[in-house]
Amino acid sequence: GAGVSQSPRYKVAKRGQDVALRCDPISGHVSLFWYQQALGQGPEFLTYFQNEAQLDKSGLPSDRFFAERPEGSVSTLKIQRTQQEDSAVYLCASSPDRGSLPSGANVLTFGAGSRLTVL
Amino acid sequence: EDQVTQSPEALRLQEGESSSLNCSYTVSGLRGLFWYRQDPGKGPEFLFTLYSAGEEKEKERLKATLTKKESFLHITAPKPEDSATYLCAVRGDYKLSFGAGTTVTVRA
Repeated sequence: GAGVSQSPRYKVAKRGQDVALRCDPISGHVSLFWYQQALGQGPEFLTYFQNEAQLDKSGLPSDRFFAERPEGSVSTLKIQRTQQEDSAVYLCASSPDRGSLPSGANVLTFGAGSRLTVL
Repeated sequence: EDQVTQSPEALRLQEGESSSLNCSYTVSGLRGLFWYRQDPGKGPEFLFTLYSAGEEKEKERLKATLTKKESFLHITAPKPEDSATYLCAVRGDYKLSFGAGTTVTVRA
């Protein structure tokens, strides 16, 4: 597609519910990142995929967070047993190159984000 | 761990009043310093990448510069449509580490 698409744009969950956030990256993009952005803060790294391989999940806050990209395109971020501190905007970004290359073309394109509110 | 600090947190400008935003960073092996613009309710939008000290890039009323420890985003004669949050990020390996951003408001 023309850009990175995320759904749902807004999600309200009761504490303890499970949620799933979807990311459709730009077609053909190798690298996919998930970031968490709290109100008034910059995006914080969660996890990184190169094609279908999850190469880094060091930013996931707890074992309640899980991400997958089974066919190397669409990715899903799942949060189990949501807590109020999980309330944030979850941003997905993709780039055409493998992340390790210091390439001028290796620019992250972000989606509009999914705003999660946990009551 | 890569660290990025942006200042000021907020900047209110009159239309036409030029100013600069600061981004201080520490990173082991800089593989790019990035500036993004973020409008309310939207994802960050790419502006510039700088790779080495002394490098400068321009786009309309924006100019980004880089030294070994910091980057500046200069806004010349801003217009109300330049109102946004400007995010600075560094890449040490493959991921971007962001600062908290500077929110710029330009009054007509």
